[in-house]
Amino acid sequence: GQSLEQPSEVTAVEGAIVQINCTYQTSGFYGLSWYQQHDGGAPTFLSYNGLDGLEETGRFSSFLSRSDSYGYLLLQELQMKDSASYFCASSNYQLIWGAGTKLIIKP
Amino acid sequence: NAGVTQTPKFQVLKTGQSMTLQCAQDMNHEYMSWYRQDPGMGLRLIHYSVGAGITDQGEVPNGYNVSRSTTEDFPLRLLSAAPSQTSVYFCASSSGTSGRPPTGELFFGEGSRLTVL
Repeated sequence: GQSLEQPSEVTAVEGAIVQINCTYQTSGFYGLSWYQQHDGGAPTFLSYNGLDGLEETGRFSSFLSRSDSYGYLLLQELQMKDSASYFCASSNYQLIWGAGTKLIIKP
Repeated sequence: NAGVTQTPKFQVLKTGQSMTLQCAQDMNHEYMSWYRQDPGMGLRLIHYSVGAGITDQGEVPNGYNVSRSTTEDFPLRLLSAAPSQTSVYFCASSSGTSGRPPTGELFFGEGSRLTVL
């Protein structure tokens, strides 16, 4: 079947760097997206990787390796407002989502 | 610019009742979709549409119906509500090309919280 696996929870310290990994098994793969969702809110788009390599958007970067069916989201200079759940989603004919990683940031 | 608007934001139903969740977008997006999100889980695709008059089933379509008569609107109908349909429902749209999966950004509504007793 099609699935995306990501850690359920990650803890980091304010100001630090954290990496959230995502491995996928999907057919007809086009690319990998990352979304952020605060408690009670809607998902908001962070980044999309259609090609292998690193995409950088401010403090956030995302990486994709198609040969390894693997990607990650890198958050730098963590701020308390980054406390949220982060989802990877596989862009194929039907967008498939991971279960999400809850990022806990400690002062 | 309103983006994606969902109504209602909250709804309580009794088992067996029917209702429609409304979704409208003003970005002229071809691709629209409905997801449900249950506690501690990712989003699961219910139905999607790649343009007016075209709809298709997602991962969990049973018990739900959709139609797409205009580019702007994509309502989701619960035919006979069941407690298992208690969830948060999100409508999302994208400028993805017809027939191709959405790439890049999905724009989400604020969500509709449904409880079925």
